[in-house]
Amino acid sequence: ETGVTQSPTHLIKTRGQQVTLRCSSQSGHNTVSWYQQALGQGPQFIFQYYREEENGRGNFPPRFSGLQFPNYSSELNVNALELDDSALYLCASSPRGLAGGRTGELFFGEGSRLTVL
Amino acid sequence: KQEVTQIPAALSVPEGENLVLNCSFTDSAIYNLQWFRQDPGKGLTSLLLIQSSQREQTSGRLNASLDKSSGRSTLYIAASQPGDSATYLCAVIGTGANNLFFGTGTRLTVIP
Repeated sequence: ETGVTQSPTHLIKTRGQQVTLRCSSQSGHNTVSWYQQALGQGPQFIFQYYREEENGRGNFPPRFSGLQFPNYSSELNVNALELDDSALYLCASSPRGLAGGRTGELFFGEGSRLTVL
Repeated sequence: KQEVTQIPAALSVPEGENLVLNCSFTDSAIYNLQWFRQDPGKGLTSLLLIQSSQREQTSGRLNASLDKSSGRSTLYIAASQPGDSATYLCAVIGTGANNLFFGTGTRLTVIP
């Protein structure tokens, strides 16, 4: 059973550019969440996807957007990058019943470290 | 809005010592509480999950307790080892939410 995998592991962008981060969920998990972790802080919730639809969003502007694909993998897109977007971006997957029950334990990937210059 | 606090922010102990990390949350209407470990620059490793109906969970040298009514959880680490050095984060999911609310973590250093 493979865990949550994220790519790329590190990347550097300049202000105003766009970035796409990718996540493959753990086998059997159909819910994916994205978190932003600034240095020295706890992770902050960006959004969650379930069955290819956004299913909850944190306090992030619309330039943060996402997708979930039929195989439950996911992308996080950030447009018009700002210096404050520099952070570790974490993807987490969790199993969710066909009845759409509550999320349980979350399993995280190793993250994508984004530096905006 | 749910707020999660972890005290202390940093802790340094000699190898072999037992220790307790503290986590408090402001809204007791939680679905579950999860403890994570994070090594520098790495992702989160789930250590223990406590459902709201449970009082504690144990895994090896780790024991986590939950007192939902007082909004507190503790993570007890027995016989600490240098390999336990990491940042420990607690997080809760509220009953009306889909996401985890995290504390800022406790950075643990175990001195050989």
